[in-house]
Amino acid sequence: KAGVTQTPRYLIKTRGQQVTLSCSPISGHRSVSWYQQTPGQGLQFLFEYFSETQRNKGNFPGRFSGRQFSNSRSEMNVSTLELGDSALYLCASSDPRVNYGYTFGSGTRLTVV
Amino acid sequence: AQSVTQPDIHITVSEGASLELRCNYSYGATPYLFWYVQSPGQGLQLLLKYFSGDTLVQGIKGFEAEFKRSQSSFNLRKPSVHWSDAAEYFCAVGAGEYGNKLVFGAGTILRVKS
Repeated sequence: KAGVTQTPRYLIKTRGQQVTLSCSPISGHRSVSWYQQTPGQGLQFLFEYFSETQRNKGNFPGRFSGRQFSNSRSEMNVSTLELGDSALYLCASSDPRVNYGYTFGSGTRLTVV
Repeated sequence: AQSVTQPDIHITVSEGASLELRCNYSYGATPYLFWYVQSPGQGLQLLLKYFSGDTLVQGIKGFEAEFKRSQSSFNLRKPSVHWSDAAEYFCAVGAGEYGNKLVFGAGTILRVKS
């Protein structure tokens, strides 16, 4: 079974630009979550989608948004990038019908210059 | 609010020695608890999880964890550490209405001496 796939692995953007990150969950997993990891703040929850609906949202500004498609693939978008948005963005998928326990992808390393 | 505390930022153990990583949580209801491991530049790998039932949970790579409700703890243990266990370890609690919002501790970096 293929794991959680995140693309791209690395990204360099300029302040003020926007970026879109992609996540393909494990086949059959309908829940997809996004996390931001930085040295200063650690791992922080961004949002979670289930069957194309956002069920939970973390404490991030509106510049951070996401969506989930009918095939459970998910994207997150960050607009008007700031230097502080430089981080490892992790996507995780889960099938709540089986039991909890999220499987994480390898992440997208975003650098804002 | 839910929170997770990992008191040790760094731990160094000798190869072959036993290991215990501490985790304390704050959560009103019966918690969903997890331990993840992260190697440099990689994502998180699930070691084990606790939802209910037996308070001693077995995981992958020879790890186990014990849930102690009275102490609000979920410590991770391994009887004999291997050099390949060097990594960062994160404890997490499942929060939110569906228990699907993971709240992570700050992590413990494990160094293994040969």
